Amino acid sequence: SSELTQDPAVSVALGQTVRITCQGDSLRSYSASWYQQKPGQAPTLVIYGKNYRPSGIPDRFAGSSSGNTASLTITGAQAEDEADYYCNSRDSSGSHLVFGGGTKLTVL
Amino acid sequence: QVQLQESGPGLVKPSGTLSLTCAVSGGSINSSNWWSWVRQSPGKGLEWIGEIFHSGSTNYNPSLKSRVTLSVDKSKNRLSLKMSSVTAADTAVYFCVRITAAGDAFDIWGQGTMVTVSS
Repeated sequence: SSELTQDPAVSVALGQTVRITCQGDSLRSYSASWYQQKPGQAPTLVIYGKNYRPSGIPDRFAGSSSGNTASLTITGAQAEDEADYYCNSRDSSGSHLVFGGGTKLTVL
Repeated sequence: QVQLQESGPGLVKPSGTLSLTCAVSGGSINSSNWWSWVRQSPGKGLEWIGEIFHSGSTNYNPSLKSRVTLSVDKSKNRLSLKMSSVTAADTAVYFCVRITAAGDAFDIWGQGTMVTVSS
């Protein structure tokens, strides 16, 4: 079982804002990173650290954290944002990496 | 720009050993980054297998630790994954991934290679 918990599915209307969350005790000590995965493709890093975006990731993607919960917010969701999103961080020991179970985002 | 390319047999027999390699190009495996393997069973989520530094230091997923060995070949700039006693549950796409220098995010992914465990 994953030490990071995500909602299995979330939907958002085109152009609206959506928040995808990730909960886990390790998030009190370690930052979450977020990945976007489209069918048949490898995941792509979209947010890491406190709230950093790799080159090429649109600024509509933002990360935040409070207590044991990390969030990925997409402001003005686009059709191309429809994908699976995974969070990850170190576990409480710091020696292992863990993933959340993933959230399927549907853009309506 | 660093690129990762996984390779290995696409079919492994049950109870056998899965062996994959990952060629690192556009950069050195001797960098300050750790390197990792992640897998994804069909229709399922991502599972971290383990990580390795160029010195040979490793950390493994506790649920796989008894069956997994990661290694580096600095002369060939490549990584290797061996998983023993495989079952159908090990059928998955296996990704080779670079970890950021900060040590907590997977910033560069290989395209992945599908491995099926079947007789």
